[in-house]
Amino acid sequence: DTGVSQDPRHKITKRGQNVTFRCDPISEHNRLYWYRQTLGQGPEFLTYFQNEAQLEKSRLLSDRFSAERPKGSFSTLEIQRTEQGDSAMYLCASSLTRTGGDYGYTFGSGTRLTVV
Amino acid sequence: DQQVKQNSPSLSVQEGRISILNCDYTNSMFDYFLWYKKYPAEGPTFLISISSIKDKNEDGRFTVFLNKSAKHLSLHIVPSQPGDSAVYFCAASVTVRMGGSEKLVFGKGTKLTVNP
Repeated sequence: DTGVSQDPRHKITKRGQNVTFRCDPISEHNRLYWYRQTLGQGPEFLTYFQNEAQLEKSRLLSDRFSAERPKGSFSTLEIQRTEQGDSAMYLCASSLTRTGGDYGYTFGSGTRLTVV
Repeated sequence: DQQVKQNSPSLSVQEGRISILNCDYTNSMFDYFLWYKKYPAEGPTFLISISSIKDKNEDGRFTVFLNKSAKHLSLHIVPSQPGDSAVYFCAASVTVRMGGSEKLVFGKGTKLTVNP
């Protein structure tokens, strides 16, 4: 297991279509995060899972967005009725529960979504 | 409002010289600060972090300095190498009770170019 894997790397979709992204975290990591990054901005927090429980969602995550992490392993992020404003890089990250000291997430390479 | 600010969009230095990247924050509740490096088409990579109870943390060529009274931190890279050319993101988090997300708030990034 060499890192966080995201699929697909790129997705082009027509406005109004639904899309689903997948994230496979580092196997021993119990925490999983989704972030979104638009051009010229830093990553913005979307949602967080501890094992299979979704414990926090950002106000950025509208009703068209849903995320799941069945069995506490991989996660999916679905966007329904996509809009042009959804075009962004969607980043997944995983980590272990912090017990103190230095820490940092491990990010995947992201899924770049383009809505046309 | 932006809680983590990186006011310099870009920085160019000569190989072998020092690179200094700056970051300001507004939320006094932040107690952990991190730097991430990002190459094109890849996810951010954790570089170094510092707890708010410290004022300096060093790891090889990378040193992070924290000035809590000024709500300012900086990343020093000495000596700079062409391979350090990337976008550097400053991030901050608030420690929460066990199980909390410890989500990161990112700045917009500074693009560092190290010229041979």
